Amino acid sequence: DQQVKQNSPSLSVQEGRISILNCDYTNSMFDYFLWYKKYPAEGPTFLISISSIKDKNEDGRFTVFLNKSAKHLSLHIVPSQPGDSAVYFCAAKNSGGGADGLTFGKGTHLIIQP
Amino acid sequence: GAGVSQSPSNKVTEKGKDVELRCDPISGHTALYWYRQSLGQGLEFLIYFQGNSAPDKSGLPSDRFSAERTGGSVSTLTIQRTQQEDSAVYLCASSPGLGQSSGANVLTFGAGSRLTVL
Repeated sequence: DQQVKQNSPSLSVQEGRISILNCDYTNSMFDYFLWYKKYPAEGPTFLISISSIKDKNEDGRFTVFLNKSAKHLSLHIVPSQPGDSAVYFCAAKNSGGGADGLTFGKGTHLIIQP
Repeated sequence: GAGVSQSPSNKVTEKGKDVELRCDPISGHTALYWYRQSLGQGLEFLIYFQGNSAPDKSGLPSDRFSAERTGGSVSTLTIQRTQQEDSAVYLCASSPGLGQSSGANVLTFGAGSRLTVL
């Protein structure tokens, strides 16, 4: 049973527009959420995170929104740039549980078109 | 080191052979994780080491998989009698560890070891 779901395998956005990547989770014990970005032949790199005590966290062009009641989070990238083309993984953690690291979604392949 | 190092970066082996994958975490990081990513799939948790505690092996898919972490640093993931379904990218990650602020939740990944079983 997938506890973190990214229902869009791919997303195509025009350069300069906003990219919105979505993520849903089922485990109500998750209290920390992260987004990772992955280029081909490289490991995932940390992008941005949010604690469940917040509903928004912003870092430059990247903003993560958390809706706890809907068990939904989203990553907004604005404006989108060609270098943003990558696979984006949503991840979640029960920070009180500790032992099993992060639970990842299957990823969304973001393609920024010129 | 400055980042998480994994070797080999690519490994091609024949079905039935044993393989060893190595991970050198960031110096001082007490937590070490192994994940794998099969084609078209997300990151699948395999095993987790935290300091000197017994590892969490709950993600290992079969008893052909095992991992060690010597001296709280370098880790080796061993796959015995490899099968074609073991083909994947095996990713190692480390973090500062539990109870050390939100930074403990951020894993730093290596570039991965791509395993192909023929």
